[in-house]
Amino acid sequence: NAGVTQTPKFQVLKTGQSMTLQCAQDMNHNSMYWYRQDPGMGLRLIYYSASEGTTDKGEVPNGYNVSRLNKREFSLRLESAAPSQTSVYFCASNSWVAGANVLTFGAGSRLTVL
Amino acid sequence: ELKVEQNPLFLSMQEGKNYTIYCNYSTTSDRLYWYRQDPGKSLESLFVLLSNGAVKQEGRLMASLDTKARLSTLHITAAVHDLSATYFCAVGHAGGTSYGKLTFGQGTILTVHP
Repeated sequence: NAGVTQTPKFQVLKTGQSMTLQCAQDMNHNSMYWYRQDPGMGLRLIYYSASEGTTDKGEVPNGYNVSRLNKREFSLRLESAAPSQTSVYFCASNSWVAGANVLTFGAGSRLTVL
Repeated sequence: ELKVEQNPLFLSMQEGKNYTIYCNYSTTSDRLYWYRQDPGKSLESLFVLLSNGAVKQEGRLMASLDTKARLSTLHITAAVHDLSATYFCAVGHAGGTSYGKLTFGQGTILTVHP
């Protein structure tokens, strides 16, 4: 049982390049999320998907697009990377257990934009 | 807009001492989470607090929630080196369309030294 799997773990891009971060969960969870983590700012929500076929903006969506390909997979795309998008990206999925959400996080993807 | 603030942001503790991390949030919520993150790793769920007055304990860590004051605390008792990590609080968005979204505090970097 792998939980939440993210790829790649590390990536270096040049300004203007595009890339897609992949995320898959094998826990049959409905909701999935993409967060970015920057020093001193905690984790900020980029996009989320409440269920297969739906996506919505979070707190910091500009410069990103997402696709909920199926119930398992939720990808994050940077169409034209900028240095401000240098960050650690975490995918998470959510289950409802005993009256509370339980977020399970992936290992993270460290992105550097030069 | 839900805002979450932690303090202190940096905490250097001696082994054996006690200390408390505070988490204040700005709007009504009845779900408060504490996560731990080791350097270069993902986030691990520590506690889920669901109601006013909730208290949970695990080893040397104890978390509490006061929904009236919009305050949660994470108390560390007799700190040991293994507790060195970054601790985040996160608050669940209220309402039927929250879809499990969380807003995170900035994180508290805890270092325990001899």
